[in-house]
Amino acid sequence: AQSVTQLGSHVSVSEGALVLLRCNYSSSVPPYLFWYVQYPNQGLQLLLKYTTGATLVKGINGFEAEFKKSETSFHLTKPSAHMSDAAEYFCAVSDSGAGGTSYGKLTFGQGTILTVHP
Amino acid sequence: DTAVSQTPKYLVTQMGNDKSIKCEQNLGHDTMYWYKQDSKKFLKIMFSYNNKELIINETVPNRFSPKSPDKAHLNLHINSLELGDSAVYFCASSQGTAGPPQHFGDGTRLSIL
Repeated sequence: AQSVTQLGSHVSVSEGALVLLRCNYSSSVPPYLFWYVQYPNQGLQLLLKYTTGATLVKGINGFEAEFKKSETSFHLTKPSAHMSDAAEYFCAVSDSGAGGTSYGKLTFGQGTILTVHP
Repeated sequence: DTAVSQTPKYLVTQMGNDKSIKCEQNLGHDTMYWYKQDSKKFLKIMFSYNNKELIINETVPNRFSPKSPDKAHLNLHINSLELGDSAVYFCASSQGTAGPPQHFGDGTRLSIL
């Protein structure tokens, strides 16, 4: 069984400040990890993903995340927040051992709402 | 040009009714999904189709029946609606099964009276 915990349901930063959204996961097998962004009244968009290889992955809009196995974490960061980053962010995990259906069986966290102040 | 479109956006109906939600994607993807997002924002996979074939069928009541007439469409029919079915339903798509859902629709907010 897998689970995802996103620490902090709301994060508020000033424009230009560092964005750090925390995600910890639990998985009995090597995980695949994802971050999605959801703008108001829209569907989710895939921001970035980690499957294998380099543990620091870069995504769209200047976001990146680092897979730390020892800490079971996959925190999302962006060096400088922009007003357009205000949205809800979801961390998700899937089981790498489930073959071709792995990716669809995502377990999502509860989301973190990011607010960016001028 | 909408990539994944769902209709309707809002659906308000009474308990016991039957309703359908339609989903279409114009991305040329061959895998489509239905997710349910509850009031606590938890997203959970319901179904997935690849080239019109069912590949994921999570523990979902038989009242929910997906139908994929072609790889660009995945509809969801719900019989005998119950209060607990109130949620936001998201359709999503991806290319093949070797990657996560890439594009989600804007969601259908289903409210049962």
